[in-house]
Amino acid sequence: AQTVTQSQPEMSVQEAETVTLSCTYDTSESNYYLFWYKQPPSRQMILVIRQEAYKQQNATENRFSVNFQKAAKSFSLKISDSQLGDTAMYFCASPPRKLTFGTGTRLQVTL
Amino acid sequence: EPEVTQTPSHQVTQMGQEVILRCVPISNHLYFYWYRQILGQKVEFLVSFYNNEISEKSEIFDDQFSVERPDGSNFTLKIRSTKLEDSAMYFCASSDPAGGALSTEAFFGQGTRLTVV
Repeated sequence: AQTVTQSQPEMSVQEAETVTLSCTYDTSESNYYLFWYKQPPSRQMILVIRQEAYKQQNATENRFSVNFQKAAKSFSLKISDSQLGDTAMYFCASPPRKLTFGTGTRLQVTL
Repeated sequence: EPEVTQTPSHQVTQMGQEVILRCVPISNHLYFYWYRQILGQKVEFLVSFYNNEISEKSEIFDDQFSVERPDGSNFTLKIRSTKLEDSAMYFCASSDPAGGALSTEAFFGQGTRLTVV
């Protein structure tokens, strides 16, 4: 069975600082993808970044990057230069066929 | 930019009533999904749909739930007799078949907030 675990229910960071959200997963699949989704107060689900498990290079998308440790089954999200608009719930998720979500980390960016 | 649209954005219904939540997936996508998020909890998979049939469903998706693709564009979730515990945000999602549903991201709609009273 696929499991995704986020151990930080809440985090806070000051504007312009860097924050890292952690995620671990367990899968028996040999090929899989990992995603971070952002859910702002509007409750819409927005894809932040995607990592392909067979790629060793960590994915980067502007201020967002991941630290993917395949052997440790760890997939953390780093947000650099945090902005007020980054305040949201962040969910780690993984296929196959259907997304399994973690419980989420509520990130608050403060002035 | 193509997007998944859901209607209505908010629906209030009485316990025991039937509700239909509607979704228009992205036009060239072939995999469709429904997810549920009870307030304050994580997003849970309900069902996936491909080639006009259910490809996978969770334990939550019992006989009270059904999905349908009545035409070439809509994808609906029906709850036959709503219960208080069905109150949640319901998300529709679709994905592109290129690379298979395993690999591609799911594009989510903005959600329908269902309130059962």
